Amino acid sequence: AQSVAQPEDQVNVAEGNPLTVKCTYSVSGNPYLFWYVQYPNRGLQFLLKYITGDNLVKGSYGFEAEFNKSQTSFHLKKPSALVSDSALYFCAVRSFLSGNTPLVFGKGTRLSVIA
Amino acid sequence: GAGVSQSPSNKVTEKGKDVELRCDPISGHTALYWYRQSLGQGLEFLIYFQGNSAPDKSGLPSDRFSAERTGGSVSTLTIQRTQQEDSAVYLCASSLGLAETGELFFGEGSRLTVL
Repeated sequence: AQSVAQPEDQVNVAEGNPLTVKCTYSVSGNPYLFWYVQYPNRGLQFLLKYITGDNLVKGSYGFEAEFNKSQTSFHLKKPSALVSDSALYFCAVRSFLSGNTPLVFGKGTRLSVIA
Repeated sequence: GAGVSQSPSNKVTEKGKDVELRCDPISGHTALYWYRQSLGQGLEFLIYFQGNSAPDKSGLPSDRFSAERTGGSVSTLTIQRTQQEDSAVYLCASSLGLAETGELFFGEGSRLTVL
């Protein structure tokens, strides 16, 4: 079975500081990994994905994520946080072996960037 | 349309009543998903349609929940005899399908409140 863990319900960071939102996963076979963001009263928006290739993936709004196979992690990062980055962030996974099955999402991490 | 459209955006109903939630996916997207977002529970997969294949209903929480997709486009999620625990935001998403590496595009959701 596929699963995703986001160990932090809430992350607080000062504007201008680097941010990290953690994600670990469990799948059979190779994973396809995704990050989505949900701004207040909005639907989820795709940020970035890892399919294959370079372990460091760059996405929208200056975000990036690093795939670490040995640690089964896919942490989301940004070098300098903005107040506008405050939102709910979801990590999601799908197994390469599972075909076109629905994405499994984590419970989400609320990021608060303080001016 | 330009994006995934869901209606109603808000629905308040009394316990025991039936409700219908509608999703209009992005034109040309063959895959359609329903997820449920409850406070502190992340995104819970409900049902998945892919083209003309039989839907994956493995996430439906009870037989009070059903969904259909007419003409490979619009989908309706029906909840019969609603209970208070059904209160949540119901999210619809679509994708190009078949490509398991593709991202999902989400609507803004239908917020259901059962009194």
